[in-house]
Amino acid sequence: DVQLVESGGGLVQPGRSLRLSCTSSAFSLGDYGLSWVRQAPGKGLEWVSFIRGKAYGGTTEYAASVKGRFSISRDDSKNIAYLQLSGLKTEDAAVYFCVLSTDYYLYFNHWGQGTLVTVSS
Amino acid sequence: DIQMTQSPSTLSASVGDRVTITCRASQSISGWLAWYQQRPGKAPKLLIYKASSLESGVPSRFSGSGSGTDFNLTISSLQPDDFATYYCQQYSSYSSFGQGTKVEIK
Repeated sequence: DVQLVESGGGLVQPGRSLRLSCTSSAFSLGDYGLSWVRQAPGKGLEWVSFIRGKAYGGTTEYAASVKGRFSISRDDSKNIAYLQLSGLKTEDAAVYFCVLSTDYYLYFNHWGQGTLVTVSS
Repeated sequence: DIQMTQSPSTLSASVGDRVTITCRASQSISGWLAWYQQRPGKAPKLLIYKASSLESGVPSRFSGSGSGTDFNLTISSLQPDDFATYYCQQYSSYSSFGQGTKVEIK
């Protein structure tokens, strides 16, 4: 039972932008902290960005590797979270997972299936 | 940034073996550590949080221990479904993962 669904991945040229989306039929996304975690092909996991739940102001955090280029947001009226990827580099190519923390803390007990971003000219 | 280092990178074992994976943090993270299992082509699955708390539905053969900078994940009796890659994650200061430990069939 897939409870988080990502979309928006694809092939994009270096320097261009892409917007990933995450939806859920099981969770009201605004009630929880939501992160994006990525995994380059054959590599390990890298936390990318986090948005706090409404109760904690919806503030955002970023990994140093993407700060200033990526932007996380959420539309609570549509129950969708977004990750805007700008100024893409070849090293940003990865499967991007939408992940949820139903606890206050930043561990991830719900994962989407991932969406693949390929950055190539 | 807090760096997480796992050892070994690869572990060869047989069904029924007791296996232990180690994770070390570059600075104290208290007990703010989680463990995940990832099978090929699948999303990771949470096993352990807060260093030793078993996530609901996870078999009791999985256990976690440690605090401060040194942590262990132990599988008491390896089952066929357990051959996978395991990651530790600190969430004391935002989040970062270890590089992973692949548990393969001996």
